[in-house]
Amino acid sequence: DGGITQSPKYLFRKEGQNVTLSCEQNLNHDAMYWYRQDPGQGLRLIYYSQIVNDFQKGDIAEGYSVSREKKESFPLTVTSAQKNPTAFYLCASRDRVKNTEAFFGQGTRLTVV
Amino acid sequence: KQEVTQIPAALSVPEGENLVLNCSFTDSAIYNLQWFRQDPGKGLTSLLLIQSSQREQTSGRLNASLDKSSGRSTLYIAASQPGDSATYLCAVRPLVTTDSWGKLQFGAGTQVVVTP
Repeated sequence: DGGITQSPKYLFRKEGQNVTLSCEQNLNHDAMYWYRQDPGQGLRLIYYSQIVNDFQKGDIAEGYSVSREKKESFPLTVTSAQKNPTAFYLCASRDRVKNTEAFFGQGTRLTVV
Repeated sequence: KQEVTQIPAALSVPEGENLVLNCSFTDSAIYNLQWFRQDPGKGLTSLLLIQSSQREQTSGRLNASLDKSSGRSTLYIAASQPGDSATYLCAVRPLVTTDSWGKLQFGAGTQVVVTP
């Protein structure tokens, strides 16, 4: 089954810790995206990557970092510099060459304790 | 900067009634507009995509219209069912030259409850 998988579904972080959210896709999509969703707000773009070894900052990149060492993987690290990390994080991917719309993962809910 | 607004934020209707969800945007220079469904604690599922040159799109009980000049889109869901209960988001893809999908602007969504 082709799809996009985020893990874990729930994640708890202590103040001052870095945590990494996983996003894997087997759709052979070249572009991948990370969004943050807060209650009562739309999705906001954190980072995106159009090809391996390249990524761009989105609207709210501060306190986050990413890597794109493999086409199928786009992990997001929430660093201790992110002041308000509690949120729902969504990953998406799309075929940029074929100009398709995106598939979304099921999300990771991060809570700072 | 493009702003996307969805009103109302929440809506409750009895089963069988038609649903009308609104989305407005401030910049008419768009590539397309997309409607998504989101169940609680889940990701987004694409419902309908309307290209900027189109006026409407239909899929089963769903119909979405687009009036680019007035900056409005409406999603109609006919004969609502309890299974239609979810949050519905609209998103606008701007008309720019470089990876416009990376600049998708989302509304905050309308939370819909369909009561039996």
